[in-house]
Amino acid sequence: LAKTTQPISMDSYEGQEVNITCSHNNIATNDYITWYQQFPSQGPRFIIQGYKTKVTNEVASLFIPADRKSSTLSLPRVSLSDTAVYYCLVGDLNTGRRALTFGSGTRLQVQP
Amino acid sequence: DTAVSQTPKYLVTQMGNDKSIKCEQNLGHDTMYWYKQDSKKFLKIMFSYNNKELIINETVPNRFSPKSPDKAHLNLHINSLELGDSAVYFCASSRFMGQVSYEQYFGPGTRLTVT
Repeated sequence: LAKTTQPISMDSYEGQEVNITCSHNNIATNDYITWYQQFPSQGPRFIIQGYKTKVTNEVASLFIPADRKSSTLSLPRVSLSDTAVYYCLVGDLNTGRRALTFGSGTRLQVQP
Repeated sequence: DTAVSQTPKYLVTQMGNDKSIKCEQNLGHDTMYWYKQDSKKFLKIMFSYNNKELIINETVPNRFSPKSPDKAHLNLHINSLELGDSAVYFCASSRFMGQVSYEQYFGPGTRLTVT
């Protein structure tokens, strides 16, 4: 299984851009990279998913270098409500061959 | 209009008991999952069902048995509960088209405490 490594925690201030990097050195050819956000006492919520290069949606951007051994979730202009745990997930979306493994998560604290 | 619901939200029980957690999704998804989140917040997949067929079965004790009566439901039955089973259990669902499964929608979780 592709193991992921993320920083345990990060601090930021409102209005700043936050970049959270996830390492996945043994990512497999069929693996996709997905990021989820989790607030206390809630289930994770999907943020963004990608396979290579750059993906952008209304919430975030995901940067994936050519070797795909890492990925960076970019949150533009964070607010207090972005305080949460962010999980990097690497897995073969062709479920049935590989399981889905969440990383340890990065706890983001946004200060006013 | 809850997308993925779980019952109960809290479950406190004694060692050795048997308990079930129910999950229902109204999103029309054909794939459902059970995850376990321990006290250190690691989120680990346990099972996945696609169209009522078991497709992921991680290294989980045989005391855990998933049951999918239909595509909208995935229940988790746990026999002979142990202290180490205390955790938050999340149900999730997603579409699965062709060879690709899409974003997962998670339920609110069931906090199981075994005393």
